[in-house]
Amino acid sequence: AQSVAQPEDQVNVAEGNPLTVKCTYSVSGNPYLFWYVQYPNRGLQFLLKYITGDNLVKGSYGFEAEFNKSQTSFHLKKPSALVSDSALYFCAVMGGSARQLTFGSGTQLTVLP
Amino acid sequence: GAVVSQHPSWVICKSGTSVKIECRSLDFQATTMFWYRQFPKQSLMLMATSNEGSKATYEQGVEKDKFLINHASLTLSTLTVTSAHPEDSSFYICSATGTSGGTDEQYFGPGTRLTVT
Repeated sequence: AQSVAQPEDQVNVAEGNPLTVKCTYSVSGNPYLFWYVQYPNRGLQFLLKYITGDNLVKGSYGFEAEFNKSQTSFHLKKPSALVSDSALYFCAVMGGSARQLTFGSGTQLTVLP
Repeated sequence: GAVVSQHPSWVICKSGTSVKIECRSLDFQATTMFWYRQFPKQSLMLMATSNEGSKATYEQGVEKDKFLINHASLTLSTLTVTSAHPEDSSFYICSATGTSGGTDEQYFGPGTRLTVT
């Protein structure tokens, strides 16, 4: 069975500072990893994904994530946070024959002005 | 491209009635659609997976007679909540994979807020 852990329910960061949202995963075989962002009462917006290739993946809105196989981690990062980045962030892993996504519990990011 | 819509975006219904939620892929053919449920400040929980033209596969603990899923075409899946009760109040989100972007990515709808009074 696959699983995803997001150890922080809440992350606060000052605007302009770098941000990191943590994610670790467990899956048999090669992982397909995703980050999504959700604004209040909205569906999920795709940020980035890792399938294969470079461990550093660049995505939308200046976000990037680093795949670390030895630590089974896929932390989301951004060099300089914006107030508008404040939202709920989900890490997810894909597996199974039906290509199902398993989501982490989510991390609420608050960027303080 | 790869846009998924849901209708309605929100609905209020009385206890005991049934509600149908539509999920459409607007610019691609969705061979597989997924239905999720999300409670406030919680993660998405997969309810069922449906492939066009076949019966949906429900996750453990999801009542298939209560949450009827139909995937009759490559662009439309529906979720019907039958005999709704207040505990069914939730945010329902669909996603789709298909011929756009390969099968390694799901495209999500904007969600439907269901409130049962």
